[in-house]
Amino acid sequence: GESVGLHLPTLSVQEGDNSIINCAYSNSASDYFIWYKQESGKGPQFIIDIRSNMDKRQGQRVTVLLNKTVKHLSLQIAATQPGDSAVYFCAENRGQAGTALIFGKGTTLSVSS
Amino acid sequence: DAMVIQNPRYQVTQFGKPVTLSCSQTLNHNVMYWYQQKSSQAPKLLFHYYDKDFNNEADTPDNFQSRRPNTSFCFLDIRSPGLGDAAMYLCATSSSVHTGEKLFFGSGTQLSVL
Repeated sequence: GESVGLHLPTLSVQEGDNSIINCAYSNSASDYFIWYKQESGKGPQFIIDIRSNMDKRQGQRVTVLLNKTVKHLSLQIAATQPGDSAVYFCAENRGQAGTALIFGKGTTLSVSS
Repeated sequence: DAMVIQNPRYQVTQFGKPVTLSCSQTLNHNVMYWYQQKSSQAPKLLFHYYDKDFNNEADTPDNFQSRRPNTSFCFLDIRSPGLGDAAMYLCATSSSVHTGEKLFFGSGTQLSVL
């Protein structure tokens, strides 16, 4: 499958491949992270989340990995499908009560048949 | 289905002419947020309401204001839109502001400034 070691704005994969999208976060106090999927002209849609007391969480076809040492988050999509084509954003909670989610740079995933 | 609804889907305004964007929610969530998203960029938080308490981000221009008359509705007012304010405006809700709360987004209003 295709993967990126550093954040890249675009990722192109073939249908059926595994995709890995990376994200670096800035605040060491952040204790909650979410991945959102945004299709063209639509609002962000929740994919999966993870708290800072975990390093891995799995959903249906998706896995999120958290490395707090290097402040790095990744989203793995298994058996990528054309319907997965979208922009993917990671977001972090700044770790203080009363604050909202702050979004990182997005990665555009393109899946070809 | 419970949801976050934004109207209108597309809004065109003139340079300097005040414009109001609307958001309603049927989730009965305590918190409502407004994000600005420019083309090919990440959503940027403008402000949020926790119940009736307004929380402005430090770098949100004074040109942007918000009103929340009741739990269900929240408005974004742009007093004098400039060309740089053309963007997608996203409304979101969450049940609380505590860490670990997912945000539920509406489909957004695409604002054009002529």
